[in-house]
Parts: sequence; structure tokens; C-alpha cells
Amino acid sequence: QLQLQESGPGLVKPSETLSLTCTVSGGSISSSRYYWGWIRQPPGKGLEWIGTIYYSGSTYYNPSLKSRVSTSVDTSKNQFSLRLSSVTAADTAVYFCARHVGSPWAFDIWGQGTLVTVSS
Amino acid sequence: QSALTQPRSVSGSPGQSVTISCTGTSSDVGGYPYVSWYQQHPRKAPKLMIYEDTKRPSGVPDRFSGSKSGNTASLTISGLQDEDEADYYCCSYAGSYTIALFGGGTKLTVL
Repeated sequence: QLQLQESGPGLVKPSETLSLTCTVSGGSISSSRYYWGWIRQPPGKGLEWIGTIYYSGSTYYNPSLKSRVSTSVDTSKNQFSLRLSSVTAADTAVYFCARHVGSPWAFDIWGQGTLVTVSS
Repeated sequence: QSALTQPRSVSGSPGQSVTISCTGTSSDVGGYPYVSWYQQHPRKAPKLMIYEDTKRPSGVPDRFSGSKSGNTASLTISGLQDEDEADYYCCSYAGSYTIALFGGGTKLTVL
């Protein structure tokens, strides 16, 4: 069955760029029905959608984060990635990647999440 | 766009029913048939419980049901069980620029 796994540094310095990769196994990232999303959860707080990408490269971003977010997809590696620039302590969170099913626009399969701490 | 509004907490005894509300606007919850609900146990990834307002993915017990009226969606859990104790989040499509908008989450306590 399809699985997603986040990877990347667990510690990022303030003002630097957070970079994470999500590896998809058990299925193709190039499936026309699916999009691929990033969601984060600060410690003790709720979920926040960051952005979603389609295998063709089309992107959708949370307006509140849009100026700092970029996502990309590598179909040859079955991976998609997140970059969040100019991070502060407020960006400390567990970052999840998930499969985002287009219409009904639901996240049906999630990675386990990875904690990223922003600290000097 | 503001987060969808959910009660901070709800509670119920085993066997009872509870309902969690999710209030938005005509630009999100009320504007599209795309509200989903997620269950999250501590230190775990969220799990999809309801999609397209009322549909259950395969494997989700039929004790979980979704409904919607106007700008408010609801998740009802009937026949509460201990393992239902978790945080629940609603999420709505809100147009071609904000394709996912989460609620603040509701903590369900099974007494």
C-alpha cells in the first residue's frame, strides 16, 4: 500500500531555509488523480495547511505563507519537497506530507511527520 | 482566510453520542461539498474519517457520520468507545487559491 515518509534536518537556524522531502513508496507520484500536500502542526496546536503540488508542477499555497513557501516534485525519484524561507521560532512544528485527493480535496494518506525545531 | 471554528472540547460517556461542529462561511464550508474530518491520537498522524461532507473511507466504522447545514458541518460519533478519545479536525476546500482550510481542532474526552 502507498506510504509517505518525510526526511530532512530536525534543526534549522532562525532566518535560514527549512527543507524537507517526502518520499512516496508503493505507488506513483505521477497519478493523475492525486496531488501532494504539506501540513504542519506546532507543538500543542492545530493543523495548518502549507501547500499542495501536482505532479505536473502546478502549486497551491496557503496565502499566509505564500511569500516564503516553495514546493517541487521529482517524478524520477517519486519525491516531492518543501522549502520554507526566513524561518523563525514560530515555524517550529511537526511537518506532515500527505496525499491530497483532488475533488473531494481530502488528505487520505499521511506520513508519520517529522519535528523541525527552529533555534540557534 | 480565518480557520474554521470548532469547539475546543467535547465529552461523552461510553455508548453515548457526541457531535462536533465546524463553522465556516459561504466561501468555504457552505460553498463547496468538500468538508473532511480527521482523527488524531497523541503523537500520531491524522487519519481521514469523513470526506465530501458525509462519505466514510473504507475501514472507518459506521459509528462516524458527517452532515452539513449551511455554513456548519458536523461530525457525529455514536456508541462512543474508549479508543475514540482523540483530537478531531475539520477541513474545507475554500476555492482555487485556498484548497485546504483547517478548523482549530476539538479534543474529545470519553468519560
